Amino acid sequence: AQSVAQPEDQVNVAEGNPLTVKCTYSVSGNPYLFWYVQYPNRGLQFLLKYITGDNLVKGSYGFEAEFNKSQTSFHLKKPSALVSDSALYFCAVRDIRGTGANNLFFGTGTRLTVIP
Amino acid sequence: EPEVTQTPSHQVTQMGQEVILRCVPISNHLYFYWYRQILGQKVEFLVSFYNNEISEKSEIFDDQFSVERPDGSNFTLKIRSTKLEDSAMYFCASSGGSRAYEQYFGPGTRLTVT
Repeated sequence: AQSVAQPEDQVNVAEGNPLTVKCTYSVSGNPYLFWYVQYPNRGLQFLLKYITGDNLVKGSYGFEAEFNKSQTSFHLKKPSALVSDSALYFCAVRDIRGTGANNLFFGTGTRLTVIP
Repeated sequence: EPEVTQTPSHQVTQMGQEVILRCVPISNHLYFYWYRQILGQKVEFLVSFYNNEISEKSEIFDDQFSVERPDGSNFTLKIRSTKLEDSAMYFCASSGGSRAYEQYFGPGTRLTVT
């Protein structure tokens, strides 16, 4: 069975500092991994994905994530945080069950607060 | 940039009533999904839909739920007899084309069952 863990409910970082939002996963076979961001009263916005290839994936708004197979991790990073990055971040893995569409299995979310 | 839209943004209904949540996916997408997020909890998959039929559904998606693509643009989620525990934010998503793995989500419909 697949699972995604986001060990931190809340991450606080000062503006301009690097940020990391952690995610670990468990799947059978090769993982398809995703990060989404949710701003207040908004839907989920796609940030980036890892399917195959380079372990460092670059996404929207200056975010990147590093796929680490040995540690089964897919941490989200940004070199310099902005106040506008404050939001709820979800890590997700593709559900490999069934033969249908690419159903996503989400983590519990991490609330990022960037302090001015 | 094309986006997924959902109506209404907020729906209040009484327990036992039927509700229909509406979604307009991105026009050239072929895969459609419904997810829900109970307040303070994680986003949970409900159902996926492709080629006019359900591809996959979760344990949550019981006989009270149904989905339909009544025309070329809309994708609906019906809950026949709502329960208090159906209160949640319901998100529609779509994917397809050259980026089939990227799901684009709508802003959600907040369903409140009283």
